[in-house]
Amino acid sequence: EIVLTQSPGTLSLSPGERATLSCRASQSVSSNYFAWYQQKPGQAPRLLIYGASVRATGIPDRFSGSGSGTDFTLTISRLEPEDFAVYYCQYYGNSPEYAFGQGTKLEIK
Amino acid sequence: QVQLQQSGPGLVKPSQTLSLTCAISGDSVSSNSAAWHWIRQSPSRGFEWLGRTYYRSKWYYNYAGSVNIRITISPDTSKNQFSLQLNSVTPEDTAVYYCARVGVGPFDLWGQGIVVTVSS
Repeated sequence: EIVLTQSPGTLSLSPGERATLSCRASQSVSSNYFAWYQQKPGQAPRLLIYGASVRATGIPDRFSGSGSGTDFTLTISRLEPEDFAVYYCQYYGNSPEYAFGQGTKLEIK
Repeated sequence: QVQLQQSGPGLVKPSQTLSLTCAISGDSVSSNSAAWHWIRQSPSRGFEWLGRTYYRSKWYYNYAGSVNIRITISPDTSKNQFSLQLNSVTPEDTAVYYCARVGVGPFDLWGQGIVVTVSS
């Protein structure tokens, strides 16, 4: 079973700053099956990145994903007010079992 | 515009059956390139994938081991929807339940979510 650990638990930044969110897998995984989601209060998650670095349809280019092996990163280059939310990583290579991280809360400083 | 619209009760008594439906618009439950999933989210357990169904010349079903003996996911082609039944619920099944599609990418489309509370 693959376990995903996200860090930090909470990230406090200001609009315009750069955000770097991390996700570590308990074992090496294929980057082809790594995703990031954004979730705002009371809403369903929204797919941001899949295949570790491919932006989903309609996702602004300030969002980027990278990584391989056990370490993956979501970067938001310049934070907009609407970016403050909870972010989850996911590995879907062991289909049909899908592993999610516990989330990083990005809050306004 | 592709959408998933969930419906079902928000309160279920212990030992009874939780039943939810996910109506699809803009896509087909019988699509040969999509799979239809149920996922739940709770503060104590985070996201938990429950199961999926998909059509590739015939219907396929996969369920999480944690709920395997209690869960049924059923497609309804006449109404273009799919449903979740979870039997013998306990308070530990209290969660927000989502339906979702795996299409081009993983979980690229989600329902709005339904808060289900298991309580007498």
